Order: sequence, then structure tokens, then C-alpha cells
Amino acid sequence: KNQVEQSPQSLIILEGKNCTLQCNYTVSPFSNLRWYKQDTGRGPVSLTIMTFSENTKSNGRYTATLDADTKQSSLHITASQLSDSASYICVVSADPLDGGATNKLIFGTGTLLAVQP
Amino acid sequence: DGGITQSPKYLFRKEGQNVTLSCEQNLNHDAMYWYRQDPGQGLRLIYYSQIVNDFQKGDIAEGYSVSREKKESFPLTVTSAQKNPTAFYLCASSRPGREVEQFFGPGTRLTVL
Repeated sequence: KNQVEQSPQSLIILEGKNCTLQCNYTVSPFSNLRWYKQDTGRGPVSLTIMTFSENTKSNGRYTATLDADTKQSSLHITASQLSDSASYICVVSADPLDGGATNKLIFGTGTLLAVQP
Repeated sequence: DGGITQSPKYLFRKEGQNVTLSCEQNLNHDAMYWYRQDPGQGLRLIYYSQIVNDFQKGDIAEGYSVSREKKESFPLTVTSAQKNPTAFYLCASSRPGREVEQFFGPGTRLTVL
């Protein structure tokens, strides 16, 4: 069964500190892995997309890593800001088994990050 | 929210009533999607459409219906057959293809009274 698991479920850090969020997946056939940021009551916004051949990708203070062998990904946030408070969702995309044009996205439940002053 | 609008932001419905959620995009995307988000669960796909006048069921289509008469619009109707409709509904759109980014709207929170 295709699954995406994220840890921790929630995290509280002080402003200016770094943190790392984890994502483990069992998705086949793997196409790509995405990290999204979702503010409370809003739609998710894409942070990074990584394919099988990429093992790291950065977007400002956000750096995502991918280990396709162990099926793990992490999202590292550097020098956190109050505006980083949000839910971070790991999404793994599977190639369609029927040869269709649309990937199937499997969403994790998210890590809720609170950055305190 | 990248050119995708959803309305209304909050919606209240009495049991037994159908209700339609609006989703419009001006990104010229061919593909559009509807997801449902519940506390403690990942987003689940309700319906998707890859082209005008065509749509496919997702993982939890029962109790929902959609139409795709225009490229820009993909309304979702929550029918009285949906047993647990209270949730946060998200619309998304993308270019065609397998490794493309999906852009999400701001969401509609539906509450059944």
C-alpha cells in the first residue's frame, strides 16, 4: 500500500533556530517527492520538487534532501522565522500504473511547526 | 494562491441539502483537481479533470459530482449522499504531464449543521 509518513507530528522551536522534518515513504513506482507549506486555513504552496536523481534541493532557507534507496526525505529550515509557522506536507508522486497522463499523489499528514519568539 | 480562486471561503449547509463549491483558475491549466482535507489525514483526491468535458473519479468520489464545461472552471457539488461532508475542500490545477506542480486554491471550509 502506498504510504507517506511524517515525523514529528508537531514541533515547537524558538525563532532563529534550525529544524529538520522527516518523511518516510513506501510508494511505487516512485516519480517525484514534493514538500508543501500550508498556512492555517489556506491552500498548500509548493516549496520543492525532487525527482529520483536529485538528492538535495534548496529554496531560500528551505533545503530538502532525498535518499531514494532508503525512501526517506527531510526538510531542513534554517534560521527560522515566525512566518515559518505552518504545516509542512510531504507528497510523493507515483507514476500511473495504467500508463495514464496523470501521476497519483500520496499526501502525508503533515508536521505542524510553531515558531515562537 | 497563484491564480486559483475558490468561493465561498466558509459555507454552512443543513443536512440533506446539496451545495456547490466554486473553483476558477486563470493559469490556462488543462488539469484541475478537487481534494478533501480532514484533521489528522492527508489530502484525499475526490475528482480530477485533465481536459474540458472530461473528468475522472478519485479515491473518494462517492457523494460528490463535478462538471468541466469550461477550462477555467471546475465546480464541485457535495450531495446529500455524502455521509460526512464537513471538511476543508481544496481545488488545484496544473499543466498536463506527470512531473508537474499542482497549484492550490485557498480552500473552502464546509460545515454541515
